[in-house]
Amino acid sequence: AQKITQTQPGMFVQEKEAVTLDCTYDTSDPSYGLFWYKQPSSGEMIFLIYQGSYDQQNATEGRYSLNFQKARKSANLVISASQLGDSAMYFCAMRENADTGRRALTFGSGTRLQVQP
Amino acid sequence: KAGVTQTPRYLIKTRGQQVTLSCSPISGHRSVSWYQQTPGQGLQFLFEYFSETQRNKGNFPGRFSGRQFSNSRSEMNVSTLELGDSALYLCASSLALLAGGPDNEQFFGPGTRLTVL
Repeated sequence: AQKITQTQPGMFVQEKEAVTLDCTYDTSDPSYGLFWYKQPSSGEMIFLIYQGSYDQQNATEGRYSLNFQKARKSANLVISASQLGDSAMYFCAMRENADTGRRALTFGSGTRLQVQP
Repeated sequence: KAGVTQTPRYLIKTRGQQVTLSCSPISGHRSVSWYQQTPGQGLQFLFEYFSETQRNKGNFPGRFSGRQFSNSRSEMNVSTLELGDSALYLCASSLALLAGGPDNEQFFGPGTRLTVL
């Protein structure tokens, strides 16, 4: 079974609108971390936001927020007020066994977001 | 503060050759992880180093190896290159204050794009 599932291969959004990118995960580990990364065409992976499995509140970083629904095992990324520069691939990733120091990330297949003027 | 640097940025090799890629983590970061990104397989974890020790290894053949130096810089080596090794190789660095501690952020370098002819 896929550990990280991103069901939206591609998304379009109008500039200045909000968009939600979906991510569901599968783990039996009680201690895990969820990451979102942005990858522009240049190839560099840009860290956006992190949510720990024990965090009580949803993570927010500027225009990015993570809608964490633990019971549903979902960690959707919400981008508010989209900008043209947000056009990129977005990856959801999970780190299991977060309290053992293992830092390997499992990535989803990504969502290509295109922001239209 | 300088980010993660990877050299070289681009490489072209032929089948059967070997290649060495280098990664310099963010100053003060002690953990380095390597990932392979291909259109077919997506992003896959290769291995992770902390304090010159390999702590975790992904499901790759023994042709893929790595090491970490005392200054936290890391190298990965691929021997007997195959066409399927053509990929973007990404390095990620994290602070890793403790060997077993959690990390909220992993920062990626720009990657090395390897083409095997």
